[in-house]
Amino acid sequence: EDKVVQSPLSLVVHEGDTVTLNCSYEVTNFRSLLWYKQEKKAPTFLFMLTSSGIEKKSGRLSSILDKKELFSILNITATQTGDSAVYLCAVGAGGYQKVTFGIGTKLQVIP
Amino acid sequence: DTAVSQTPKYLVTQMGNDKSIKCEQNLGHDTMYWYKQDSKKFLKIMFSYNNKELIINETVPNRFSPKSPDKAHLNLHINSLELGDSAVYFCASSPIEARNEQFFGPGTRLTVL
Repeated sequence: EDKVVQSPLSLVVHEGDTVTLNCSYEVTNFRSLLWYKQEKKAPTFLFMLTSSGIEKKSGRLSSILDKKELFSILNITATQTGDSAVYLCAVGAGGYQKVTFGIGTKLQVIP
Repeated sequence: DTAVSQTPKYLVTQMGNDKSIKCEQNLGHDTMYWYKQDSKKFLKIMFSYNNKELIINETVPNRFSPKSPDKAHLNLHINSLELGDSAVYFCASSPIEARNEQFFGPGTRLTVL
């Protein structure tokens, strides 16, 4: 069975701090790794990574994938209170690219 | 101009009832999904349809039956509701060329009493 494990499960930081969220996976027929942000309602898409070693950036967020070690990290620099959310890692695998989600990392940024 | 919409947003019902949740997307996507997010916030795929055809069917009780009348709609019907069905149900869609880039609806919070 495909597995996605995220750590830490929760994190409290002060505004301005930099955080690193971890995601490791075990899947058959890996296709892509995804990061989503879930605030109060629906998850919103952040990144999709398919190749090792290529960093994806969007503002203060960046992510990188290591397909040899089967993990990815999501970095958030200069955190703001608006970054408070659950960050979900997911992996797409197989011919129809079934997406398996991790349980998420709950990030709380305090002023 | 909502991309993926679901109705209703909240559903409170008694055990044993039958209920439906509707989902529509106006993004022109070919693939649609139903996910269940339980009280522990674990998001798990239930079904996926591509152009009205079922392509992913996870281990879900057969009380759950998805129906896709066209590629813009994917409804979920649940028979004989049980307490354990209480959860938030998310619909999502994705384009065929980027199946993993899924756009989620706002969710339907189902409470079974």
